[in-house]
Amino acid sequence: RKEVEQDPGPFNVPEGATVAFNCTYSNSASQSFFWYRQDCRKEPKLLMSVYSSGNEDGRFTAQLNRASQYISLLIRDSKLSDSATYLCAVRYGGSARQLTFGSGTQLTVLP
Amino acid sequence: EAGVVQSPRYKIIEKKQPVAFWCNPISGHNTLYWYLQNLGQGPELLIRYENEEAVDDSQLPKDRFSAERLKGVDSTLKIQPAELGDSAVYLCASSPTSGRAAEQFFGPGTRLTVL
Repeated sequence: RKEVEQDPGPFNVPEGATVAFNCTYSNSASQSFFWYRQDCRKEPKLLMSVYSSGNEDGRFTAQLNRASQYISLLIRDSKLSDSATYLCAVRYGGSARQLTFGSGTQLTVLP
Repeated sequence: EAGVVQSPRYKIIEKKQPVAFWCNPISGHNTLYWYLQNLGQGPELLIRYENEEAVDDSQLPKDRFSAERLKGVDSTLKIQPAELGDSAVYLCASSPTSGRAAEQFFGPGTRLTVL
């Protein structure tokens, strides 16, 4: 079993739709959680960190459920420009700073 | 402010040949990472540097891969000899030292094709 697993996708949704991605992690010592966005043939870029209380940034909402060991990303009112691959990433405790990434979920927003 | 710089952007070589990738992190970022990303997968860490010290190289295939960061700034990743399965995107990232939640900034990557 992979340490970080994501919905396989791809997700094809119409403009204006609401779409949600889930990501599960296996290490209960995980302490920091992130969503990255990666456009085709580009590098990953941080979309948002995920806080225990949940957090929102415009049309994007991230949630953390420590008991069930998953994080989620909700995108409301999807735009064509949201089409990308969304990677969840987990950082474990201690001095380690490396991230463990999921395989990514591909989103295509259709006109 | 300049981001993470990598070169070359693309490299095509024949198997058994050597290849090297170069990375210049964001100025002031003491932590540097090399990741490998296969098609349809997330990045996987190869090695992490704190200044010039490699503090985690457990995922680096040491029989053919090597890396260095001599002055704690630029870094090179080398493969010798390359194998067909090494075809992937090699990403460099950097982050400030302080804070566990410090954001990692990725470079554009080097896309390696081994024929």
